[in-house]
Amino acid sequence: DIQMTQSPPSLPASVGDRVIITCRASQSISNSLKWYQQKPGKAPKLLIYDASSLQSGVPSSFSGSGSGTDFTLTINSLQPEDFATYYCQQSYNAPYNFGQGTKLEI
Amino acid sequence: EVQLVESGGGLVQPGGSLRLSCAASGFTFSSSNMIWVRQAPGKGPEWVSHIDNSGGSIHYADSVKGRFTISRDNAKSSLYLQMSSLRAEDTAVYYCATSGGSHWGQGTLVTVSS
Repeated sequence: DIQMTQSPPSLPASVGDRVIITCRASQSISNSLKWYQQKPGKAPKLLIYDASSLQSGVPSSFSGSGSGTDFTLTINSLQPEDFATYYCQQSYNAPYNFGQGTKLEI
Repeated sequence: EVQLVESGGGLVQPGGSLRLSCAASGFTFSSSNMIWVRQAPGKGPEWVSHIDNSGGSIHYADSVKGRFTISRDNAKSSLYLQMSSLRAEDTAVYYCATSGGSHWGQGTLVTVSS
């Protein structure tokens, strides 16, 4: 099974900051990586697919990069509504595991 | 508008069974691969199962293999998850979603407790 490791687990930040969240796969997954945002009591929301493609309707302040085993999610100019938990998920091979999450905190 | 609506959750005793349903609308369900994802209280999402559009390719997480069965009825635009031999650690909100991740239901809570 492919394990996904996210860092950091929590990330203090302020409105207007630029933040970077990393996700590492235990083996190469090409570009088969998704990033989600989740707020309490809500389903995950797809932000990025295929490692770097922005999902329709997602602000351009979000961007993804990487391939193989190392990936990043960058959020430019944090807005109040961006404070949430972020998860990566590999879609290369079943089981399609998620990372443990990164909680973006004020 | 795409909609996924889960139902069938509830309180069940350890060792019991439950069948979750997911009613899909607003997109071509019969062309869509689908997944179930669960989220235990205070934890991150856990991928549970995947089924392709025809039902011919199915995968399960090791944690549910042999106990859960995913299925679909394309004529009814519905996805199912038959859960048996339930354990306390199966307690979670269960979501159905398109495998691409772009559409999710609101979730249904399954609580396994005596």
